Amino acid sequence: AQSVTQLGSHVSVSEGALVLLRCNYSSSVPPYLFWYVQYPNQGLQLLLKYTTGATLVKGINGFEAEFKKSETSFHLTKPSAHMSDAAEYFCAVSETNSGYSTLTFGKGTMLLVSP
Amino acid sequence: NAGVTQTPKFQVLKTGQSMTLQCAQDMNHNSMYWYRQDPGMGLRLIYYSASEGTTDKGEVPNGYNVSRLNKREFSLRLESAAPSQTSVYFCASSEGFHGTGLSGGYTFGSGTRLTVV
Repeated sequence: AQSVTQLGSHVSVSEGALVLLRCNYSSSVPPYLFWYVQYPNQGLQLLLKYTTGATLVKGINGFEAEFKKSETSFHLTKPSAHMSDAAEYFCAVSETNSGYSTLTFGKGTMLLVSP
Repeated sequence: NAGVTQTPKFQVLKTGQSMTLQCAQDMNHNSMYWYRQDPGMGLRLIYYSASEGTTDKGEVPNGYNVSRLNKREFSLRLESAAPSQTSVYFCASSEGFHGTGLSGGYTFGSGTRLTVV
């Protein structure tokens, strides 16, 4: 069975600082991995995804994430935070060859950006 | 714009009332889902429809029913609303239900904020 753990329900950074949001997953088969962003009072928007190939994936708004199989991690980073990055971020995993699967979401990490 | 459309955006119900949340997608996706989002709980799957003509229970189905009306539309019904069903409800769709059908992830609607008093 697949699962996702997001470390830290809230992460606070200053504008211009590095953003690091942590995600660890468990999956019995090679996973697909996703990061979604949710701005206040909106739906979830796909930020980036890893399916196959290059383990460092780039997404919208300057975010990127690296799939590390040995660490079962898919941490989200951005070199320099902007005020507009304040939102809730969700990591999700699906199994690539399961005959019966849905996306499993983490509980989310709220990113707070201070001036 | 292509995507997932949910109606209504906001709703207040009295305990015991019924209502149907509507969802439609125009991306020719096969699979559709209903989630609820509550503070600190993340997203919890209520029901899903892997393909037209099929529906199945998710993690928290009690108190809800669904109908996959056609390939585009997937509705969620609350037969007798309870305060515990106060939540934000999201509909989502994907190309398929497993394997490469999930490689694009989900596309989400903008949500329905439901308050049951």
